[in-house]
Amino acid sequence: QKEVEQNSGPLSVPEGAIASLNCTYSDRVSQSFFWYRQYSGKSPELIMSIYSNGDKEDGRFTAQLNKASQYVSLLIRDSQPSDSATYLCAVDDKIIFGKGTRLHILP
Amino acid sequence: EADIYQTPRYLVIGTGKKITLECSQTMGHDKMYWYQQDPGMELHLIHYSYGVNSTEKGDLSSESTVSRIRTEHFPLTLESARPSHTSQYLCASSESGGDGYTFGSGTRLTVV
Repeated sequence: QKEVEQNSGPLSVPEGAIASLNCTYSDRVSQSFFWYRQYSGKSPELIMSIYSNGDKEDGRFTAQLNKASQYVSLLIRDSQPSDSATYLCAVDDKIIFGKGTRLHILP
Repeated sequence: EADIYQTPRYLVIGTGKKITLECSQTMGHDKMYWYQQDPGMELHLIHYSYGVNSTEKGDLSSESTVSRIRTEHFPLTLESARPSHTSQYLCASSESGGDGYTFGSGTRLTVV
């Protein structure tokens, strides 16, 4: 049984600071990793994907993957109140989502 | 602009009724999924399909059924709705070897 673990939070971060979200996974052969953002009452939306060890940057977002340690993280630079949401980590194509981390950006 | 459509957006229905939740996508994606999510809780996979005439059950035991007769259409049916079925149902699709999922707006179901 594949598992994806996330700290449920809430994680409170001051506006303008860096928010760091972490995710660990159990299946060593997992190949693809995704971060989704879900606002309250809305559907998840894909914000980052990563397939290779290292960092991948897209605007204020950076995804980091370490397959040896089986973790993937998401950094949000210059956090804004609009970043307040639940962030879901997903592993592989078959749909294994973590429980999500609630992020709250403090104005 | 949504490329995956779910109807109805909200549904209140009585116990014992049969209901079908619709999901259609215009992206030509091979893979489609149904998730159930209660407010503030995690996503649970209930059904998925990797192509026409191919359907599988997910991790969450469900009394629903699905069909995939056309690539773009993946309806979910509850033969006899119960209050325990009250939840949000999310449909998603992805390409084979693609880059993550696209989710629909969801159907919020209330069974009274």
